[in-house]
Amino acid sequence: EGQLVESGGGLSQPGGSLRLSCAASGFSVSVNYMSWVRQAQGKGLEWVSVIYTAGQTYDADSVQGRFAISRDDSQNTLYLQMNSLRVEDTAVYYCARGIGPYAFDVWGQGTLVTVSS
Amino acid sequence: QSALTQPASVSGSPGQSITMSCTGTTSEFGNYNLVSWYQQHPGKAPKLLIYEASKRPSGVSDRFSGSKSGKTASLTITRLQADDEAHYYCCSYVGTYVRVFGGGTKLTVL
Repeated sequence: EGQLVESGGGLSQPGGSLRLSCAASGFSVSVNYMSWVRQAQGKGLEWVSVIYTAGQTYDADSVQGRFAISRDDSQNTLYLQMNSLRVEDTAVYYCARGIGPYAFDVWGQGTLVTVSS
Repeated sequence: QSALTQPASVSGSPGQSITMSCTGTTSEFGNYNLVSWYQQHPGKAPKLLIYEASKRPSGVSDRFSGSKSGKTASLTITRLQADDEAHYYCCSYVGTYVRVFGGGTKLTVL
C-alpha cells in the first residue's frame, strides 16, 4: 500500500521559515496527487496544499503566498516550504496520498511545527 | 468557518447503528459526489473510510457506508463496536480547487 514519513518539523519564531519533507515508499509521488493536511492541538483537520501529477499546485487561502508545495521525483519526496510563519500555523502537519484528487488514502505519522517567540 | 458542517457529537450503544451528517453550502459540493470520510483516534493519523461519497477502500469494514443527497452527505456505522469511538471528519471539493474538512464529529460508544 505504501508508506509516508514526514520530517523537518520543529520550532520557529514568527516570520521564520521551515521546510517539511515527506519521503514515500512503495509508490511514486510523481503519479499520485499529493497533499499536506494540518491539525492544531485539539482542533480539526485543515487541508493545506495539493500538487497534481502534472505539477499544478493549489493552496488553502490561509497559506496562499506563504507556503509552497513541491516534489522531487528522483528522491520520491514531497516538500512543503513554509515562509512568513505565524503563531496560527502551529500544528501537526501530515502528508497524504490522494486516491483521485479529492480524497486521501495513505497518511504519514505527522510532524509537529511550533511557531512561537 | 468551515464550509462543511458536522454535528459536534453523536452517540450509540454497542450493536446499534448511527448516522452522522455533513452539510455543505456551495453548489460544487451539491453537484459533485466528491466527499470523503475519515476516522481519527487520539494521537493517530486519520484513516480513510469512504471516498467519492459511497466508495469503500479495500480493507475497510462493510459496517461503514456513505451516501449523499443534494448538499448533505452521511456516514452510517452499523453494529457499533467500542473501537469505533473516535472523531470522524468529512472532506470535499468545494470549488476553486479548494478542499475543505468539516469540523468533525465525536462518536461516543456508550
